[in-house]
Amino acid sequence: GAVVSQHPSRVICKSGTSVKIECRSLDFQATTMFWYRQFPKQSLMLMATSNEGSKATYEQGVEKDKFLINHASLTLSTLTVTSAHPEDSSFYICSAPGRGYGYTFGSGTRLTVV
Amino acid sequence: QKEVEQDPGPLSVPEGAIVSLNCTYSNSAFQYFMWYRQYSRKGPELLMYTYSSGNKEDGRFTAQVDKSSKYISLFIRDSQPSDSATYLCAMSGGLTGGGNKLTFGTGTQLKVEL
Repeated sequence: GAVVSQHPSRVICKSGTSVKIECRSLDFQATTMFWYRQFPKQSLMLMATSNEGSKATYEQGVEKDKFLINHASLTLSTLTVTSAHPEDSSFYICSAPGRGYGYTFGSGTRLTVV
Repeated sequence: QKEVEQDPGPLSVPEGAIVSLNCTYSNSAFQYFMWYRQYSRKGPELLMYTYSSGNKEDGRFTAQVDKSSKYISLFIRDSQPSDSATYLCAMSGGLTGGGNKLTFGTGTQLKVEL
């Protein structure tokens, strides 16, 4: 089946530093990647949609200069949280249309900014 | 009013019980309906995918869609402790392979007790 590999699974960083999260489609080509943020006991909030070879589309209220998204190839999309602050601490998840129906999700990255 | 409403629970049932999880929605454009299961600190995994109104069964899981009432359900028969997770409903107005966004419910936390 379609697999999306997401790394790192957990990261702790100091306030003011940047963190990069990678999502790779292992056995299929992902022309589109969705990036979500999830707070404890809440649903997934779509942050942005990345498309291979073009600029990402950000949802209303999401700072594109803070959350940099790059879709460098058909198998790799990255989210960089720049100048991270404690309020950016959250669970970040990517997903892509895989084979068949529905979307395939990565395993998530728990970001803690101290 | 949210586009998709889902009771967050928590819902606690004894092992072997039949579990009923539900979502209501307001956007009549939704045509594709999904149920995802999310274990703690993991990415969601697709359980069921249905198109338009009707029933779909897969093992112990049955998904129902009633578009006239804008109401979808997931039934779990013979529930097991391993079913303990958060269940998210999701829906889309177009084929997921076409890059259409998903709209999620808040998720229902289920605990199946021995």
